[in-house]
Amino acid sequence: EVQLVESGGGLVQPGGSLRLSCAASGFTFSSYAMSWVRQAPGKGLEWVSVITGSGDTTYYADSVKGRFTISRDNSKSTLYVQMSSLRAEDTAVYYCAKAPGCSSTSCSRYYMDVWGKGTTVTVSS
Amino acid sequence: QSVLTQPPSVSAAPGQRVTISCSGSSSNIGNNYVSWYQQLPGTAPKLLIYDNNKRPSGIPDRFSGSKSGTSATLGITGLQTGDEAGYYCETWDSSLSAVVFGGGTKLTVL
Repeated sequence: EVQLVESGGGLVQPGGSLRLSCAASGFTFSSYAMSWVRQAPGKGLEWVSVITGSGDTTYYADSVKGRFTISRDNSKSTLYVQMSSLRAEDTAVYYCAKAPGCSSTSCSRYYMDVWGKGTTVTVSS
Repeated sequence: QSVLTQPPSVSAAPGQRVTISCSGSSSNIGNNYVSWYQQLPGTAPKLLIYDNNKRPSGIPDRFSGSKSGTSATLGITGLQTGDEAGYYCETWDSSLSAVVFGGGTKLTVL
């Protein structure tokens, strides 16, 4: 069974840091791009970042560029996002998702076919 | 303000058909593929449509997608109460080098 399980969420003060993890199973992790998507309370979906299967290409939303770093360990089938300089507006449920339509050469067929259940990040003093 | 524009809400009676529109530009919908997601209350999003009009395994053919120019449409026929959910369109934006979502549409089955 294909599965994604996020962890690492919690309460953090403004300006603080947090690292989220996403453990993947049931598919060849290194063959697929992976993404983070977030959803603030009562709001819509907001894409955060994507990393290609080999890890050689990354893209970020402007709202997190320079503060978040996406990475992956293919030997552990795990996706990460290191979040720093956190703000109240980063409060959200963070989902990881498998993105088979994105490669090192093109993401024009981008879509996310498997999602985790999410982990909650709250930025507050 | 989302890059892709969706109506905030739509409603229809059980058994009826509804469409949800998603409007963008040449840098996103106009030159890339569109996907649609369903998010039931309190759950993670689920892929409904990819590559403009393809359905993943397990998605019933009541759900359909289409694209024309810089707009896309999700169609749902034979509405059921279980279809009450948020629906989001998504695509790649070549100018932003980023994924963009629509603001989401809440479907109410009256």
